[in-house]
Amino acid sequence: GENVEQHPSTLSVQEGDSAVIKCTYSDSASNYFPWYKQELGKRPQLIIDIRSNVGEKKDQRIAVTLNKTAKHFSLHITETQPEDSAVYFCAAKRDDKIIFGKGTRLHILP
Amino acid sequence: DTGVSQDPRHKITKRGQNVTFRCDPISEHNRLYWYRQTLGQGPEFLTYFQNEAQLEKSRLLSDRFSAERPKGSFSTLEIQRTEQGDSAMYLCASSPSSTYEQYFGPGTRLTVT
Repeated sequence: GENVEQHPSTLSVQEGDSAVIKCTYSDSASNYFPWYKQELGKRPQLIIDIRSNVGEKKDQRIAVTLNKTAKHFSLHITETQPEDSAVYFCAAKRDDKIIFGKGTRLHILP
Repeated sequence: DTGVSQDPRHKITKRGQNVTFRCDPISEHNRLYWYRQTLGQGPEFLTYFQNEAQLEKSRLLSDRFSAERPKGSFSTLEIQRTEQGDSAMYLCASSPSSTYEQYFGPGTRLTVT
């Protein structure tokens, strides 16, 4: 089955700097890659996603890149702000099942 | 509120008791998913429904767990003879069949003492 690895597990960046979170997946048939943000005690919220026929997608300060050959995808957050502090999960979907990574705790330092 | 809702939000139970959770998906979504999330981990897939049909169950779902979606709307997840290892956040998500996005509910936090 699908396995999703996510790095780093914790990331601290200075406010205003960029943050990058990387994930790899194992099943080449996975075709959809969402990213979720989860604040403490709250539900995971979809922040951006990418499908396997696209290499890059951007939404304001957030971008995601996908390398199907290498089976890895990344989340890029630019101009980080205090409200970006949260746990971020990458995921890979094949058929109707989504497999999540273990998460990255992002700290934005003042 | 037109989002996914779950009830109860918190449940404390003693080991050996049965518990049941409810999920109400977004009304036009015909797919419904159950996940379990423990501290420091991502959500783990448990099972999912398309309308009233349960299409897949994870190996994580022991015989003590059962889920239903009798009318293709709300769903229930029952855990029989709870164990301390069942303590977790149980998340429900829904999705329209025409798109891939899944939208999560607030979760039910289960504590087994």
